[in-house]
Amino acid sequence: SYELTQTPSVSVSPGQTATITCSGDNLGNRFACWYQQKPGQSPILVIYQDNKRPSGIPERFSGSNSGNTATLTISGTQALDEGDYYCQAWDSSTVVFGGGTRLTV
Amino acid sequence: EVQLVESGGGLVQPGGSLKLSCAASGFTFSGSAIHWVRQASGKGLEWVGQIRSKAKTYATTYPASLKGRFTISRDDSTSTAHLQVNGLKIEDSAIYYCTRLASEEWQKDWYFDLWGRGTLVTVSS
Repeated sequence: SYELTQTPSVSVSPGQTATITCSGDNLGNRFACWYQQKPGQSPILVIYQDNKRPSGIPERFSGSNSGNTATLTISGTQALDEGDYYCQAWDSSTVVFGGGTRLTV
Repeated sequence: EVQLVESGGGLVQPGGSLKLSCAASGFTFSGSAIHWVRQASGKGLEWVGQIRSKAKTYATTYPASLKGRFTISRDDSTSTAHLQVNGLKIEDSAIYYCTRLASEEWQKDWYFDLWGRGTLVTVSS
């Protein structure tokens, strides 16, 4: 079965750039999206179609996807960006989530 | 308001059954694919399955690991989706979220743009 692998944790200082990666076999040939989840809350979509931001998501969130790796980049990271981030893609007709990355600011 | 509201969770004994509901409002439910995703305490997101719209023949898909005990259905007349879980195991304890696929038509739009707040299922004797 298809798997997406994420680094369990990333730590950055406020104002720095946070880079969260998601690896999967030929992931660049699929669409990747990213969800943010804060403690006690439901996930929210922050990036879709590899690099698009939904309405209301700050410009400091960006995404890319090439080769075997999708990347979520948060520029000028703020304390309110702290939380868990999950990548997601499709394998045929099934949904696959990465294991999640805890971002500490 | 555009929203999904889950209900039906609770404490269930191992081997028991539960039917969760997902009530939609504020959008055209009948044209949307609805998915269920669960999250055990302190763990990541796990996809439970989907039900597509009438236009897509109400097709359901489940991960191989969960096939057999989980059944998703929908009632477009009440804008509600359901998740039936039989033979509950302790490891089924989790928050169960329903979520909407942005669009069924094109794969580029196969992402989840709306999530409910979840309903907690605890399996314990």
